[in-house]
Amino acid sequence: SQQGEEDPQALSIQEGENATMNCSYKTSINNLQWYRQNSGRGLVHLILIRSNEREKHSGRLRVTLDTSKKSSSLLITASRAADTASYFCATDASGGSYIPTFGRGTSLIVHP
Amino acid sequence: DVKVTQSSRYLVKRTGEKVFLECVQDMDHENMFWYRQDPGLGLRLIYFSYDVKMKEKGDIPEGYSVSREKKERFSLILESASTNQTSMYLCASRSVEWRERFFGPGTRLTVL
Repeated sequence: SQQGEEDPQALSIQEGENATMNCSYKTSINNLQWYRQNSGRGLVHLILIRSNEREKHSGRLRVTLDTSKKSSSLLITASRAADTASYFCATDASGGSYIPTFGRGTSLIVHP
Repeated sequence: DVKVTQSSRYLVKRTGEKVFLECVQDMDHENMFWYRQDPGLGLRLIYFSYDVKMKEKGDIPEGYSVSREKKERFSLILESASTNQTSMYLCASRSVEWRERFFGPGTRLTVL
């Protein structure tokens, strides 16, 4: 079962603009993670936010978490062509279920 | 740096063949995972392993089996390959303490 669902499915922006993508999930979680996948490659972990955190930063990345709405957002500021990739959220559910589940991803294209 | 390696980047097999996909991690991680990734479907969990000799079915285990005889190695086995198993296969590992998953580069399997 895929718990995380990213929105939008595809996003196309110009270099220098900000990119925002969202993730919704269904059950209670311990943490939520964002990953990036460049074309045809494995996924790379970007950032993890725990259920008791509301916002987290890492470089040009800003992640927010709203557990009341069961949603998270990933903001990439001042985007670069190298940010072109697919972005996935993954959740670790709480309540003893440790199966990590991924969404279908947001495909981001940043035009130079 | 954590390293997760997969035995092949590209693999072509014939229908009915037995196929072995190998994954090795070098960080003494307890948990290991096998996913398959298909366009429009995102990452789907096939099997995972909490620790050596332990395995649990994921969302789509049918047609697959796994083996974890040593902590660093997690093998995915296609007992009798079929064309609908043509896909990108991704292996991942993580420690119990730190929840981020580290992915291998992926194996693109084509079954003819």
